Amino acid sequence: SQQGEEDPQALSIQEGENATMNCSYKTSINNLQWYRQNSGRGLVHLILIRSNEREKHSGRLRVTLDTSKKSSSLLITASRAADTASYFCATDAYSGAGSYQLTFGKGTKLSVIP
Amino acid sequence: NAGVTQTPKFQVLKTGQSMTLQCAQDMNHEYMSWYRQDPGMGLRLIHYSVGAGITDQGEVPNGYNVSRSTTEDFPLRLLSAAPSQTSVYFCASSYSTVNYEQYFGPGTRLTVT
Repeated sequence: SQQGEEDPQALSIQEGENATMNCSYKTSINNLQWYRQNSGRGLVHLILIRSNEREKHSGRLRVTLDTSKKSSSLLITASRAADTASYFCATDAYSGAGSYQLTFGKGTKLSVIP
Repeated sequence: NAGVTQTPKFQVLKTGQSMTLQCAQDMNHEYMSWYRQDPGMGLRLIHYSVGAGITDQGEVPNGYNVSRSTTEDFPLRLLSAAPSQTSVYFCASSYSTVNYEQYFGPGTRLTVT
């Protein structure tokens, strides 16, 4: 079953605006990761935030994590047409027998209009 | 480094046929996994391996087999293809299962008629 749920499912903005995507999850996690997928391509890792971190930055990306609310947000500032893609959150949780698995949400489809 | 490679990129099968999707990585990663991606469903884990000789089932393992004889290769076998297995398949690898990013291959688009 999918643990992470992204919101909104789709988002359309003008170039230069900021884009915010949210992710909610159900069980305790070790970390939460965000990935980007361009149409017809594999997923590319963007950022990993550990459960003891509250905020992390990488270039134009800002990720927050609120473990008390079991939620995370991804902010892309000053968006560009090249940011058009689907964005997925993935939670890394213990799955038994000493193993941890990544569970992906269904994604947010971002369209940045030039 | 080539990263994670997958072959073929596209495949059409008839119901009942079998085939193997190939996956290889050159990063000396211990952890490898197979996902399927269906419209509106996100990615679902099929099988994974934490090292050569060790494999385990994920969320949707039925109809698929895997083996891991080397660190580099992790093939996925469809035993008897069904239309419900029409999907895009992604292989991924990472250094470890905990707190490490996964590297994804470009995917194999499979259609079963």
